[in-house]
Amino acid sequence: AQTVTQSQPEMSVQEAETVTLSCTYDTSESDYYLFWYKQPPSRQMILVIRQEAYKQQNATENRFSVNFQKAAKSFSLKISDSQLGDAAMYFCAYRNSGYALNFGKGTSLLVTP
Amino acid sequence: EPEVTQTPSHQVTQMGQEVILRCVPISNHLYFYWYRQILGQKVEFLVSFYNNEISEKSEIFDDQFSVERPDGSNFTLKIRSTKLEDSAMYFCASSEGQGANYGYTFGSGTRLTVV
Repeated sequence: AQTVTQSQPEMSVQEAETVTLSCTYDTSESDYYLFWYKQPPSRQMILVIRQEAYKQQNATENRFSVNFQKAAKSFSLKISDSQLGDAAMYFCAYRNSGYALNFGKGTSLLVTP
Repeated sequence: EPEVTQTPSHQVTQMGQEVILRCVPISNHLYFYWYRQILGQKVEFLVSFYNNEISEKSEIFDDQFSVERPDGSNFTLKIRSTKLEDSAMYFCASSEGQGANYGYTFGSGTRLTVV
């Protein structure tokens, strides 16, 4: 079974600064996808960024980028120029050829002015 | 931007009662999913649904749960006899295709409280 581990229950960052959220996963598969989802207080799950395991290039979406280390099974999310609206729970998730997304327990990100 | 719509946003039900949670997926999506999130815990997969049948389900999805697409737009999750431990946020999601490259679109969730 695949497991996703987020070792940081809470993180804090000052506005305009950069923060990195960590995620590791365990799998024996070679073909899979990794995701970061954001869950603001409204509770909706919003896709932040996606990485295909066969792509060596790290995915980026505006201020959000990932550091994907396939051999180390690590998938961290970097948020640059943090904004107050970035405050949320962030979930790392894994998916292989099946239907299910496997989520980590989440990291609560606090952004301070 | 197309949305997945879930109703109601909050449902309170008595233990032992049946409850139906409703979802309207994005119109051109073909794959539908239910996830749940018990307060303070991670989001867990329940079931996926395609072509009017279950394509995958987790061990959480036991005989108390069922899903249905009663018409061309709605996708429902029924819990036959609710238990206190069914209290959770239930998320519906849909995707255009089965591959992970399609991604999911999640709804805003239904908070189910069993008393």
